[in-house]
Amino acid sequence: QVTLRESGPALVKPTQTLTLTCTFSGFSLSTSGMCVSWIRQPPGKALEWLARIDWDDDKYYSTSLKTRLTISKDTSKNQVVLTMTNMDPVDTATYYCARMPDYGGNSLYFDYWGQGTLVTVSS
Amino acid sequence: QSVLTQPPSVSGAPGQRVTISCTGSSSNIGAGYDVHWYQQLPGTAPKLLIYGNSNRPSGVPDRFSGSKSGTSASLAITGLQAEDEADYYCQSYDSSLSGFWVFGGGTKLTVL
Repeated sequence: QVTLRESGPALVKPTQTLTLTCTFSGFSLSTSGMCVSWIRQPPGKALEWLARIDWDDDKYYSTSLKTRLTISKDTSKNQVVLTMTNMDPVDTATYYCARMPDYGGNSLYFDYWGQGTLVTVSS
Repeated sequence: QSVLTQPPSVSGAPGQRVTISCTGSSSNIGAGYDVHWYQQLPGTAPKLLIYGNSNRPSGVPDRFSGSKSGTSASLAITGLQAEDEADYYCQSYDSSLSGFWVFGGGTKLTVL
């Protein structure tokens, strides 16, 4: 079955760089049409899409955060890594990774999600 | 401000029918992009509830249904149950400069 799990620090200081890892199983990111995204949710607030990486290494970033984000993959390890630079307290949120299969529809969706990891930005 | 607008809250008694709206614009729902819905139970990750406007993944009860018209979409829940109390989010694609994959602000469903 498909599973995803996020890992990374629970606490980072302002201005530091956050590195999160998504380790998944049940599918391969080398399969045509397969994609993985990162999404975050500040406490009590709505979901916000951050970044996406595709099977062919195409990458997409949130317009408002693109200067701070980098997404990469290690297909052999079944991992996707997100880095976010210059962290600020407003970046405090639960960060999720989710599978995003491209079956040819005009609007992709997230069919499997990790349990999320809460990242707090504080000095 | 979310690109897709949802009511902050809705409520209903057990057994009743409730609907949750999701209003977009000409750069997302109105442009023909599909709408998807997620259910987020308290303290858990979102779960895909409806994809492609009206399709249910395997395991989702047929009490949940989705529809889309013009620049809006709706999620309907019939035969409301206590376990349906959760936050619900709509999601689509936005083709504007600040777009890509966008979510609604979420709707808290309370079962009275």
